[in-house]
Amino acid sequence: ELKVEQNPLFLSMQEGKNYTIYCNYSTTSDRLYWYRQDPGKSLESLFVLLSNGAVKQEGRLMASLDTKARLSTLHITAAVHDLSATYFCAVDTSGTYKYIFGTGTRLKVLA
Amino acid sequence: DVKVTQSSRYLVKRTGEKVFLECVQDMDHENMFWYRQDPGLGLRLIYFSYDVKMKEKGDIPEGYSVSREKKERFSLILESASTNQTSMYLCASSFPGGSGEGANTEAFFGQGTRLTVV
Repeated sequence: ELKVEQNPLFLSMQEGKNYTIYCNYSTTSDRLYWYRQDPGKSLESLFVLLSNGAVKQEGRLMASLDTKARLSTLHITAAVHDLSATYFCAVDTSGTYKYIFGTGTRLKVLA
Repeated sequence: DVKVTQSSRYLVKRTGEKVFLECVQDMDHENMFWYRQDPGLGLRLIYFSYDVKMKEKGDIPEGYSVSREKKERFSLILESASTNQTSMYLCASSFPGGSGEGANTEAFFGQGTRLTVV
């Protein structure tokens, strides 16, 4: 059974600090996605990582993918309050049409 | 921009009612999905469809059915609503999986329907 695990599940951090969210998955996949969800809202696509070694950056967020280790990271640089949200990673299982989501990391950035 | 629209933001239904949740996408996506989201459980796939009139069960299909008569529309049906189906329901759509940089494969989500069954 394909599993996608994120850690930490909860993260409270001060503004200006750096931190990394980890996403491990249990089967072969070359495609990994990061989403953001604000409270009461739907999921918004942040990054699409399509190959081993892929790195994408947008503002204070940077995502990377290591398919050999089955690991993706979402790095937060100099956090600001506006980044407070829940972040999900998801894996697109090769040969099927399904996305499997991690349980999410709830990030709270304290002013 | 891709738009995925769910017919209701909030719904309150009674136990035993038949409930229809509608989802429409405007990007000609082949794939469409229904997820439910519950605190501590993340997103769980109920059903997905990779073509008109085609459907596949996800991880938690019990108590649900789906209909896809047109490419742009994917409906989730609760045959007889129960209180344990109170949840946030999310519809999504995507192109089929591809490979290599530039392949547009991510799922796009609707705004969600918060269903309460009383």
